[in-house]
Amino acid sequence: AQSVTQPDIHITVSEGASLELRCNYSYGATPYLFWYVQSPGQGLQLLLKYFSGDTLVQGIKGFEAEFKRSQSSFNLRKPSVHWSDAAEYFCAVIFKTSYDKVIFGPGTSLSVIP
Amino acid sequence: GAGVSQSPSNKVTEKGKDVELRCDPISGHTALYWYRQSLGQGLEFLIYFQGNSAPDKSGLPSDRFSAERTGGSVSTLTIQRTQQEDSAVYLCASSQGRRQEQFFGPGTRLTVL
Repeated sequence: AQSVTQPDIHITVSEGASLELRCNYSYGATPYLFWYVQSPGQGLQLLLKYFSGDTLVQGIKGFEAEFKRSQSSFNLRKPSVHWSDAAEYFCAVIFKTSYDKVIFGPGTSLSVIP
Repeated sequence: GAGVSQSPSNKVTEKGKDVELRCDPISGHTALYWYRQSLGQGLEFLIYFQGNSAPDKSGLPSDRFSAERTGGSVSTLTIQRTQQEDSAVYLCASSQGRRQEQFFGPGTRLTVL
């Protein structure tokens, strides 16, 4: 079955430290890939997306993600975390099936220590 | 420009009652999605509308759940004979088409007593 995993349920980092959030999807043709952020009390907002082309994509708020076909991964990174980055992060995948349904990962909760 | 709106923002109901949740997508968006997010959980896909195509209802958890989309715009999610396990935040999202970025509404928090 098509699935999306985010191995880390919760991550804590110090402000100013680097961050990497992992996302893996089940094997198949290259899907469309997204990262969304949900801040406390806020709706979900798109950080970045990958459809094709350059495998390193830049997003908003200083985030970037790299698509690695060989690893079926789309990890999110930020070189220096700010306290305002504390939020829930969701990886989402559209598998190229007849329905193109969006499948969300379970999310990673990020806490930032001042 | 207006984003996705949902109403009500909060709904408290008694077990066994029916509820209707409304979603107004961004004008011109052909795709509309409903998700459920339980406390501390990820997003559970419920249903997907795309243009005039038959909706993908594969995520609806039981026959108590149904949804309509009238005129390719506003959508209503109906939950009949609500149960306590239906308590969650119900999120609606729209996009310009298939395989596009989704824009999310603020959600409706449903509490079933």
